Amino acid sequence: DAKTTQPTSMDCAEGRAANLPCNHSTISGNEYVYWYRQIHSQGPQYIIHGLKNNETNEMASLIITEDRKSSTLILPHATLRDTAVYYCIVRLTTGNQFYFGTGTSLTVIP
Amino acid sequence: DADVTQTPRNRITKTGKRIMLECSQTKGHDRMYWYRQDPGLGLRLIYYSFDVKDINKGEISDGYSVSRQAQAKFSLSLESAIPNQTALYFCATSDFWTVPETQYFGPGTRLLVL
Repeated sequence: DAKTTQPTSMDCAEGRAANLPCNHSTISGNEYVYWYRQIHSQGPQYIIHGLKNNETNEMASLIITEDRKSSTLILPHATLRDTAVYYCIVRLTTGNQFYFGTGTSLTVIP
Repeated sequence: DADVTQTPRNRITKTGKRIMLECSQTKGHDRMYWYRQDPGLGLRLIYYSFDVKDINKGEISDGYSVSRQAQAKFSLSLESAIPNQTALYFCATSDFWTVPETQYFGPGTRLLVL
């Protein structure tokens, strides 16, 4: 599975969009980009995934660059409850483990 | 995710004791996983099972064993607990027929070994 690089921490004002970047320069053609988050030692929560196209669901949007070497998770209107550690994971369509790195600690500020 | 439950949620035990952590799911998934998380670190895979008759070691299986009693139940045992097994333990499930695979996690069990 390809390695990802994320900033250690970020702040975002409540109500503003939170843009979380992820670099995955060694991604292969059949690897997906997944985003999970973990709120204060709770179980990781699935957010979204994508392969080539941009994706949107009720939680977030995922923007993947054309060369697929980086992506951005967008929380359109961040709330205090979005304060969490966000993990970007690159992975084949199936396998065994999801490799969680140290992620980005997002703090939403009132 | 309420569809994946773990018991107990918190456990304190002593060195040398045998303990069991249990995971149950109502998602109907065939695959189940056990991970551990140490403070400030990511999750590491302990064991995983693709169906009731299938058990596989993950990257850190030493000192642990598992049992897949039914499709919905996957238990993790610490045969003789030691302090460096103090960690947060997560169970996860996924569905073989969903592509790409997505894993769904339970709420975790916080284990302290004294």
